[in-house]
Amino acid sequence: QSVLTQPPSASGTPGQTVTISCSGSSSNIGSNIVNWYQQLPGTAPRLLIYTNNQRPSGVPDRFSGSKSGTSASLAISGLQSEDEGDYYCATWDDSLNGFHVFGTGTKVTVV
Amino acid sequence: QVQLQESGPGLVKPSETLSLTCTVSAGSISGDYWSWIRQPPEKGLEWIGYIYYSGSTTYSPSLKSRVTISVDRSKNQFSLKLRSVTAADTAVYYCARVFHEGPTYYFDFWGQGTLVTVSS
Repeated sequence: QSVLTQPPSASGTPGQTVTISCSGSSSNIGSNIVNWYQQLPGTAPRLLIYTNNQRPSGVPDRFSGSKSGTSASLAISGLQSEDEGDYYCATWDDSLNGFHVFGTGTKVTVV
Repeated sequence: QVQLQESGPGLVKPSETLSLTCTVSAGSISGDYWSWIRQPPEKGLEWIGYIYYSGSTTYSPSLKSRVTISVDRSKNQFSLKLRSVTAADTAVYYCARVFHEGPTYYFDFWGQGTLVTVSS
């Protein structure tokens, strides 16, 4: 049972903007940076956004992240068919001597 | 860039110990943190724990009583042992490198993952 809650699914047509929320608490998102991972079908996850809003090299600027209080968001603008997959937020939780936690995951569908 | 490869049995019997090894290539295991993450079929990601190259570890509270992560710097490998497994431990197991500087912490390189099934 993850302590980070995401909507199970999100969808959009090509070119649209899709936003995924990640809700946590003061012991995790409220106190630590948030990262986002993309998992395309049949592949390992890959880092998409780190430290709330930074993109690793090679990640298109269509992907953007933000954080406010105990929540974070990932926006995918100019949605493309190759963006279909699962997206996970992740952060550190300071409770119970500290542990890493992933969000529940959101499946993005391009309709 | 760093490459990681998981290896180990794909089938483990209930109540036995799951053992996996992650081999790091195109880079040294020294100086970094290394992690295990798993994903049950059709479910989300679950962090298992991490180890610093020196050997210090941190585990998920939910798995702490059954998990041991160790490192072998001479072989550029780190390993996972999960004891007393049940069907609920069936998952794809990933190893990953942890980039960790101050408050910045993320998994930047991942192995391809290996499916471990717990069944008699």
